[in-house]
Order: sequence, then C-alpha cells, then structure tokens
Amino acid sequence: EAQVTQNPRYLITVTGKKLTVTCSQNMNHEYMSWYRQDPGLGLRQIYYSMNVEVTDKGDVPEGYKVSRKEKRNFPLILESPSPNQTSLYFCASSLRDRSGGYNEQFFGPGTRLTVL
Amino acid sequence: KQEVTQIPAALSVPEGENLVLNCSFTDSAIYNLQWFRQDPGKGLTSLLLIQSSQREQTSGRLNASLDKSSGRSTLYIAASQPGDSATYLCAVNDYKLSFGAGTTVTVRA
Repeated sequence: EAQVTQNPRYLITVTGKKLTVTCSQNMNHEYMSWYRQDPGLGLRQIYYSMNVEVTDKGDVPEGYKVSRKEKRNFPLILESPSPNQTSLYFCASSLRDRSGGYNEQFFGPGTRLTVL
Repeated sequence: KQEVTQIPAALSVPEGENLVLNCSFTDSAIYNLQWFRQDPGKGLTSLLLIQSSQREQTSGRLNASLDKSSGRSTLYIAASQPGDSATYLCAVNDYKLSFGAGTTVTVRA
C-alpha cells in the first residue's frame, strides 16, 4: 500500500532531551517536507527536501534539523526540544513532474509531540 | 508571499443540504491547488487536486472549481451527510504548499 509513515505517533518528552521523528514513504517521491499544526496558526512548513542531499528551510525552521540521506526517509530532529515545540507534526511527500512542479501531496498520520 | 483564506471558518447545515466552501489566494501564479479533509486530531486526507490548467475536478459527490485569474477555488459537496463533518483545508502549490486555516463543517442529522 502506497503510504507515508511516521514514528512515533505520540511522544511526551522533557525540555532539552534530543529526539528524532522518523518519516518514510514507499512511493519513490522526490519531494518530502515537514509541517507543524497549531491551533489558530494552521499548518506551517518547517523544512523541505527536493531530493536526496537537498534540503531547505520552510517558514518555521528554528529549533529543527533534517537530513535526506536516502530517497525514502526524511527524519526530523529536535536537538534540544522546548515547550513551544509542542505541536502536531506531519510529514508529506509528492512526485515532481517534468516541468519541475509538484503533484499531489500525500501526508503521514501525524506525530503528536508534548515537551514538558 | 502567498496568502490563502478560507471563508467561512465554520459552517453548520442540516443533512441533505449542499455545501459550498470557499478558498481564495493572493498570487495567481500557482502550479496546482489541493483540497484536504481533516478529522479532529487526525491526518490530512487528499480529496481533490486541480492543476492550474484545469477549471474543475470531480470525485463522487465532490466538485472543486478553480478560477486562477480571480484567485478563487470552491469545493462543492452535494447532499451532505453527517459523515462529512470535518475540517476542510485548501492548499495552494506555487512550488511551496500554503494552507488556508480551514472551514469546520458540521452536518446535523
């Protein structure tokens, strides 16, 4: 089944304890991205990657890191989490077409992170 | 910077009524526009994707139109059912996906 998977789905942690949220897709998509969703602020892009070893900042990259060593995986790393990073996180992926644009975006199920 | 607005923010209708959800965007140089459904605390389910060259797209009871020149898209849901209750998000793709805040729909049985 074509899908985007995220792990863990729920995580409660404490301030300063490094964590990684994994994202994997099995559709051979070039483009992957991370979003956070907060009440009243909607969905905001954190980082995106247009292909292996190519990553760039989105709208709210502070406090996050990403890497894209393989096409299928795009982990989100919080080196020193803080309470303001408590949020619902989504990973997404899509194909690029020949004109360079992006097609239908597929989203993972979300990771609910609480930082105490 | 692309700004995406969805009006109304919330909508309550009796079962059977048709739903009309609006999405407007400020920069018409878009690649495509996608409508999503989100249930509370859940992920995003893609409903329809309209490429910039298309005027509308249909899937079952859902129909989405796109007017790039006026910066508008409309999602129509025919004969609404209680199971249609959810938040509907539109996302504009101009090589970066920009989301509206969503319209929360309640369909009363």
